[in-house]
Amino acid sequence: QSVLTQPPSVSAAPGQKVTISCSGSSSNIENNYVSWYQQLPGTAPKLLIYENNKRPSGIPDRFSGSKSGTSATLGITGLQTGDEADYYCGTWDSSLSVGMFGGGTKLTVL
Amino acid sequence: EEQLLESGGGLVQSGGSLRLSCAASGFSFKSYAMTWGRQAPGKGLEWVSCISGDSDGSYYADSVKGRFTISRDNSKNTLYLQMNSLRGEDTAVYFCARNSGSLREISFDIWGQGTVVTISS
Repeated sequence: QSVLTQPPSVSAAPGQKVTISCSGSSSNIENNYVSWYQQLPGTAPKLLIYENNKRPSGIPDRFSGSKSGTSATLGITGLQTGDEADYYCGTWDSSLSVGMFGGGTKLTVL
Repeated sequence: EEQLLESGGGLVQSGGSLRLSCAASGFSFKSYAMTWGRQAPGKGLEWVSCISGDSDGSYYADSVKGRFTISRDNSKNTLYLQMNSLRGEDTAVYFCARNSGSLREISFDIWGQGTVVTISS
């Protein structure tokens, strides 16, 4: 069971918007940067968001990140069928001195 | 092109050992902290270990502490993971990844394709 809690699944129609939450604590999310990853079936994860809300070059602005207190959120607008994937949040835990990922959220674009 | 390529996975008996390698190319390897992660079949991502660019610092997940050792050879642009006392729960795809930020920041901008480790009883 992950220390960072994500919903197991979310779904929305093409063109719509979806948000994925990541809940943690003061020792991890609240006091460390959060990143988000997209993992398509059978492939390595891909960095979507780093330092809470920054996008690497090449990541479209349909993807956004935010953080408030002990929770972080990934937003995806203008959903496309190609966005169907598993999404993970990640952060450092300062008390445990370990890195950690959320349990992952499967996005279905109906 | 910036790339990471893992190798060394395979089938090993419970209690055995393996050493994974991750060859880096296309960037200044010594300038970056590096991380190993894994993903058990049908499960989510798990952070395993990380090491600083100069090997001065490293951290481990509790699940592998005392059994796994992370190291690097900057002259060979290669990251390693020595895995001893392997257990069934260590069965997974193992990824290496480049830390785009500091050692204690989870921000991995380059990932390898993964190498499969299977532990048999």
